[in-house]
Amino acid sequence: QSALTQPASVSGSPGQSITISCTGTSSDVGGYNYVSWYQQHPGKAPKLMIYEVSNRPSGVSNRFSGSKSGNTASLTISGLQAEDEADYYCSSYTSSILYVFGTGTKVTVL
Amino acid sequence: QVQLVQSGAEVKKPGASVKVSCKASGYTFTSYGISWVRQAPGQGLEWMGWISAYNGNTNYAQKLQGRVTMTTDTSTSTAYMELRSLRSDDTAVYYCARDAGSAVVDYWGQGTLVTVSS
Repeated sequence: QSALTQPASVSGSPGQSITISCTGTSSDVGGYNYVSWYQQHPGKAPKLMIYEVSNRPSGVSNRFSGSKSGNTASLTISGLQAEDEADYYCSSYTSSILYVFGTGTKVTVL
Repeated sequence: QVQLVQSGAEVKKPGASVKVSCKASGYTFTSYGISWVRQAPGQGLEWMGWISAYNGNTNYAQKLQGRVTMTTDTSTSTAYMELRSLRSDDTAVYYCARDAGSAVVDYWGQGTLVTVSS
């Protein structure tokens, strides 16, 4: 099972919107509505930001939103803020090994 | 509040074993699973496996099959991950996390650094 494919880096200016893609196959992202997104600041544990493609856990800003089309899921951060600078990982349920993570995307706020 | 508190950092020699603990509190332990995830220095997240705290069923990543064992002690709400025949590329921060199913891993431990070095 290969890792899901994410862009290595995405950047944007404060206030802008950015979108991070997460591409898999019909055996994972495309086959189930079980895609999650995690934010990780340096030296910290990951934090769940989106689950089941588009649901936000309590306490997560509504500036974060998720969607999916075919084998690609996306995380959009609107109104980008300095505190959003972090690494972001997608994750999907799979038909083979239960879960697989994405390769990770470093978000830089310019 | 939900908390997962992991054991401290370990330094091991190649070929040795390590056992990391993860004590849960703030929720009904047997109502959720525990996933283990590791992160090598400067690298991404790697899912290692999952255990049901309800009945002990497990599901391990294929690359770790035969070297990893995950267990739980429901009397103390503690999960354990043992990794054997350690190699240098097992050097990583190991995380436990509460698993609600459907790829929803919602609370994470603080991480345990395991260093494998001769």
